[in-house]
Amino acid sequence: KNEVEQSPQNLTAQEGEFITINCSYSVGISALHWLQQHPGGGIVSLFMLSSGKKKHGRLIATINIQEKHSSLHITASHPRDSAVYICAVCPLGGNQFYFGTGTSLTVIP
Amino acid sequence: GAGVSQSPSNKVTEKGKDVELRCDPISGHTALYWYRQSLGQGLEFLIYFQGNSAPDKSGLPSDRFSAERTGGSVSTLTIQRTQQEDSAVYLCASSLMAAGNYGYTFGSGTRLTVV
Repeated sequence: KNEVEQSPQNLTAQEGEFITINCSYSVGISALHWLQQHPGGGIVSLFMLSSGKKKHGRLIATINIQEKHSSLHITASHPRDSAVYICAVCPLGGNQFYFGTGTSLTVIP
Repeated sequence: GAGVSQSPSNKVTEKGKDVELRCDPISGHTALYWYRQSLGQGLEFLIYFQGNSAPDKSGLPSDRFSAERTGGSVSTLTIQRTQQEDSAVYLCASSLMAAGNYGYTFGSGTRLTVV
């Protein structure tokens, strides 16, 4: 079974704070996916990456393949960033992603 | 279509009844996945279709669950003799080809409540 672990499980931040969510996994992967799920809402893809770093607006995702670790950063956090952030990995040679249990983020005004 | 479409968005059914959930993937996407998300839990893999290949059914929790994909497009997930533990959000995702290269696009899910 592929293990995908996220930390923290829950995170509360004040508006404007810099936020980091971590994801660790145990197998070699071809890609890692960061997704966002709002309460009662669908799941939206934020990033898919296999190396290095990607940035979109206030969101930054990094991955270290050797250490089997990825981080999702949110700069200048805002209450609308409140959601569950999910990390998923696709093992080398695999055909599907395996999901972490998510990090629930609440940003307080 | 522009996105992955699932119907119905909500379904309330009585214990013991059969239900059918529908997924219409993005046009041209050859891979289609069904997942289940129980309250407060992560995504649980159910079944995977890739083109004309035999589906990967390894995640189906019991023989009450089945799925088909007609014409390589629309998929239907059927749950027979529903039980209360089947209550969850059922999510469908599609991918252009192998998910590792292209990632997923998710539908908005069907919330199933068995009473």
